[in-house]
Amino acid sequence: DAKTTQPNSMESNEEEPVHLPCNHSTISGTDYIHWYRQLPSQGPEYVIHGLTSNVNNRMASLAIAEDRKSSTLILHRATLRDAAVYYCILRATMDSNYQLIWGAGTKLIIKP
Amino acid sequence: DTAVSQTPKYLVTQMGNDKSIKCEQNLGHDTMYWYKQDSKKFLKIMFSYNNKELIINETVPNRFSPKSPDKAHLNLHINSLELGDSAVYFCASSLRGPFSGNTIYFGEGSWLTVV
Repeated sequence: DAKTTQPNSMESNEEEPVHLPCNHSTISGTDYIHWYRQLPSQGPEYVIHGLTSNVNNRMASLAIAEDRKSSTLILHRATLRDAAVYYCILRATMDSNYQLIWGAGTKLIIKP
Repeated sequence: DTAVSQTPKYLVTQMGNDKSIKCEQNLGHDTMYWYKQDSKKFLKIMFSYNNKELIINETVPNRFSPKSPDKAHLNLHINSLELGDSAVYFCASSLRGPFSGNTIYFGEGSWLTVV
């Protein structure tokens, strides 16, 4: 199963951009890259996902390396409310033995 | 309106008891899930139901029995609770099955503590 590797934690200053890296060197051609985040004492929430091209939405941007072995979640202007654990996960699109594997994620600390 | 709601939010119970956690989604989704998050914060899928049919059943003790009376509800019943069952249990749903790239919507979690 394809797995992801993320730093345990990162710190950033409020109102500055944040780049959260994720390595997924064993990714297969059909794996989508999904990012979720989990705020303290809450359930995970969807942030963004992509397959090959970079993606933007109102929450963040996702930059995917050309070889797809890594990706970066970009928060353009972090606020205190962005302090959370960010998970980078892979989802296979056609897998009869489907399993979603969540890593430990990156704990993002935002300093005022 | 809460999209995925689960009750109770907190549950403290003794070893050996039987307990249930209820989950409902009002998103009209076809697929519902139960996830377990342990003390190390790893999220692991336990079960997935699509239109009331079980489609994913990971290696979970058979003391855990999901029940889906309709596609908007997926309850989790746990028999003979053990200390190791202490965790946060998340219910979730997605529009279609897990084989698609659908977004998963999570409930707020049920904190289970077995003493």
